[in-house]
Amino acid sequence: GAGVSQSPSNKVTEKGKDVELRCDPISGHTALYWYRQSLGQGLEFLIYFQGNSAPDKSGLPSDRFSAERTGGSVSTLTIQRTQQEDSAVYLCASSIQGAPNTGELFFGEGSRLTVL
Amino acid sequence: AQSVAQPEDQVNVAEGNPLTVKCTYSVSGNPYLFWYVQYPNRGLQFLLKYITGDNLVKGSYGFEAEFNKSQTSFHLKKPSALVSDSALYFCAVRDLRRGGGFKTIFGAGTRLFVKA
Repeated sequence: GAGVSQSPSNKVTEKGKDVELRCDPISGHTALYWYRQSLGQGLEFLIYFQGNSAPDKSGLPSDRFSAERTGGSVSTLTIQRTQQEDSAVYLCASSIQGAPNTGELFFGEGSRLTVL
Repeated sequence: AQSVAQPEDQVNVAEGNPLTVKCTYSVSGNPYLFWYVQYPNRGLQFLLKYITGDNLVKGSYGFEAEFNKSQTSFHLKKPSALVSDSALYFCAVRDLRRGGGFKTIFGAGTRLFVKA
């Protein structure tokens, strides 16, 4: 597609339920990122995929969070047993990596998660 | 460790006046530096980047930024602010360390208010 696509755009769930958030990056972009943005706050790095390399999971806040990227394209972020503090906007971004490209990120519109 | 600091939570400026949004960074080696903007209820957009070369880089919407290696700063500037520039601005640095995986780290963001 023309841009990074995320779904759902809004998700309301009950505490304790599992949720899946989907990201479809720009075609040909080898790098994919997930960030979390709480209301009006900065971007918290969650996880980073680059090609076939092992993902950088250093930002995942707990073992309830996981992500996968299938076929080097679509990615799914899964949050198990959601808690109220998980409420945030989850942003996905993709980029071209490797010289001469300098890796600026292209962001999706985000998935707003509300945990009741 | 790689880090980015935006010392001001908020910047207020009158329309027509010059604006500066500050950013300092800490990296190993030469940094790739970026500015992104987030308008209300919209996703993040890339504004400009510094990779190498001229310390003054120009970007979208009349913005520019000056890379200062000795002060480890990358302040965002615009000669004449517009009300429509009111948004949340993020400075970011790309991690080029061996094993860093080219992860992009964001500052906490600075909210810019331009008054008519």
